[in-house]
Amino acid sequence: AVQLTQSPSSMSASLGDRVTITCRASQGIGSALAWYQQKAGTPPKLLIYDAFTLESGVPARFSGSGSGPDFTLTINSLQPEDFATYYCQHFYTYPHTFGGGTKVEIK
Amino acid sequence: QGRLVQSESEVKKPGASVRVSCKASDYDFTDYGITWVRQAPGQGLEWMGWISTFNGKQKSAQNIMGRVTLTTDTNTNTAYMELRSLTSDDTAVYYCARGGSYPDDALDVWGQGAMVLVSS
Repeated sequence: AVQLTQSPSSMSASLGDRVTITCRASQGIGSALAWYQQKAGTPPKLLIYDAFTLESGVPARFSGSGSGPDFTLTINSLQPEDFATYYCQHFYTYPHTFGGGTKVEIK
Repeated sequence: QGRLVQSESEVKKPGASVRVSCKASDYDFTDYGITWVRQAPGQGLEWMGWISTFNGKQKSAQNIMGRVTLTTDTNTNTAYMELRSLTSDDTAVYYCARGGSYPDDALDVWGQGAMVLVSS
């Protein structure tokens, strides 16, 4: 099964900062990767799919890049509502595993 | 756009079974698969399985294979996840989500989650 390793597992950042989160796949997965944002007590929200395509309604400060095995989620100019936990997920083969998550906290 | 509404939270004893429902609305149910994901308290997301709402084909995670059954009812646009032989390790919030099969792999609509507490 494909394993996804996210880094860092947590980070502190300030409003306006540029934040970069990495997701490394244990094997090539093409561009079959999505990113989600989750806030406490709520289900995840899709941000990016197919590695770099922005989901409708998601602010343009979010962007995805990369191709197997390394992928990146970038948040430009961090806003108050962006403090959350972020997960990557692959769709290359079943099981469609998730990364371990990256918690972005206020510095 | 689509909406998924799940059943209420449940408390179960070890060894029991639980069935979580997921009712879809505002989209054509058979156009998308349904994926099940769980999240233990304070932990990350765990992919459990996927089912095709078109033909019932399904995949499940190795660690729960044999204990989990995924089904759908196209008459009521509802998906079900049954998990048997529960242990405390199964205590989690269980989510259903739309997607998980090509070309709609990403999970773009999620249910609100159903907490399952396994406790004696």
